[in-house]
Amino acid sequence: GEDVEQSLFLSVREGDSSVINCTYTDSSSTYLYWYKQEPGAGLQLLTYIFSNMDMKQDQRLTVLLNKKDKHLSLRIADTQTGDSAIYFCANQEGGYQKVTFGTGTKLQVIP
Amino acid sequence: ETGVTQTPRHLVMGMTNKKSLKCEQHLGHNAMYWYKQSAKKPLELMFVYSLEERVENNSVPSRFSPECPNSSHLFLHLHTLQPEDSALYLCASSQAGQGNYYEQYFGPGTRLTVT
Repeated sequence: GEDVEQSLFLSVREGDSSVINCTYTDSSSTYLYWYKQEPGAGLQLLTYIFSNMDMKQDQRLTVLLNKKDKHLSLRIADTQTGDSAIYFCANQEGGYQKVTFGTGTKLQVIP
Repeated sequence: ETGVTQTPRHLVMGMTNKKSLKCEQHLGHNAMYWYKQSAKKPLELMFVYSLEERVENNSVPSRFSPECPNSSHLFLHLHTLQPEDSALYLCASSQAGQGNYYEQYFGPGTRLTVT
């Protein structure tokens, strides 16, 4: 089956950039997603990228997709303490029922 | 407010108990999901319901039984659980279809502890 892998933990200083990485195995991806989970809450969609795109920028967020290496990254510029959360990468292979999530990366922002 | 609510938020149950988790969505979506979130493991899709079909992860034990009486409500019936079933159980909803991007809207989860 499809695997989506992420490192479990990342620590950065406030004001620095954060880069969260994700690798996946399935080559038939249609969309890839980044979700954010704050303490005590469910996941919330941050951004997504269509598999034919290389990059997508949305304010402080930059998503990079390398299809050849099956690598997805999320860069958060000027990281703030409010960005502390768990970030999940997800890969959609076809329809709504074929979305595979990773383990989540816990981002800790140090003031 | 995400539009997806779950009750109860916390549940402690013994291995011989029977309980149910409830999820309700107020977003007009036609697909609903149950996920299991355990530390250091990928978010695990357990079941998907839509108007046309039910999809289940074959690795989910039969002690978990879903029920979807309509497009707004989803239940997860639990019986004779094991301690390793302790986890956060998340419900989500989305529109169903093929080929487009689908944002899933998640509830806050039920923290289940099996003693």
